[in-house]
Amino acid sequence: EIVLTQSPDFQSVTPKEKVTITCRASQSIGSSLHWYQQKPDQSPKLLIKYASQSISGVPSRFSGSGSGTDFTLTINSLEAEDAATYYCHQSSSLLETTFGQGTKVEIK
Amino acid sequence: QVQLVQSGAEVKKPGASVKVSCKASGYTFTSYYMHWVRQAPGQGLEWMGIINPSGGSTSYAQKFQGRVTMTRDTSTSTVYMELSSLRSEDTAVYYCASSLIAAAPIDYWGQGTLVTVSS
Repeated sequence: EIVLTQSPDFQSVTPKEKVTITCRASQSIGSSLHWYQQKPDQSPKLLIKYASQSISGVPSRFSGSGSGTDFTLTINSLEAEDAATYYCHQSSSLLETTFGQGTKVEIK
Repeated sequence: QVQLVQSGAEVKKPGASVKVSCKASGYTFTSYYMHWVRQAPGQGLEWMGIINPSGGSTSYAQKFQGRVTMTRDTSTSTVYMELSSLRSEDTAVYYCASSLIAAAPIDYWGQGTLVTVSS
C-alpha cells in the first residue's frame, strides 16, 4: 500500500496569508496525486488533479506542484471561506487508492 | 448535472449488516467507475473499494476483503455497498464517489450516509 503523509496536520492562518501543505508518498507515484477540500459537514470537493492541473470553477488562488514522491498544495492569499480540511489522494496504484491523513486549515 | 444521491442514515447492532445505495443521474451510468469511501467521526478519508458499473467487476481494499460487497443495478443507475459483521469501529459516514476510470481523481461525491453501529 502506498502511504501518503501530509504536513502539517493543522495550520492556523490569517486572511491573505499564503498557505503551503505538503504530501509525501512512500514510493514514486509520478503525477497521480490529487487534492480535495472538505468543509465541515460537507462532502469532499476536487481542487487539483494530477499534481498541478486546475479544476473548472476552483478559484485560481489554489495551485499544486510536484512529482514523484513530494507534492505541494498552495493557497495564495487565503480567504475566510478556505477554512477546511485538505486531503491528498493517490491513484497510481490500480490495486488500492489511498488518501493522506488530512490538514486542517483554521482562520485566525 | 451529475448527482449521486445516497440512502438515509442507518443504525445497526454489532454483528449485523448494512446496505447503502447510491443513485446516479446526469450522466451515462456505465461511463464512470464508482468508489466507496468512508470517514469515521473526526477522522480522515478511507477508501473501501470500487465497482465498474459497466461489467460489475469490483476491487476491494484488503482491509475490507470478505466483509464488503459492491453491486450495481443498471436498470435504476444505482450502486450498492453492503458491509457485514458490523462492529462499533464501522460507525462512519459512507460516501459513494465517481471517477472516469479506475485509477483517476474522484470527480463527484454523494452526500454521504451515516451508519451508526451501537448495541
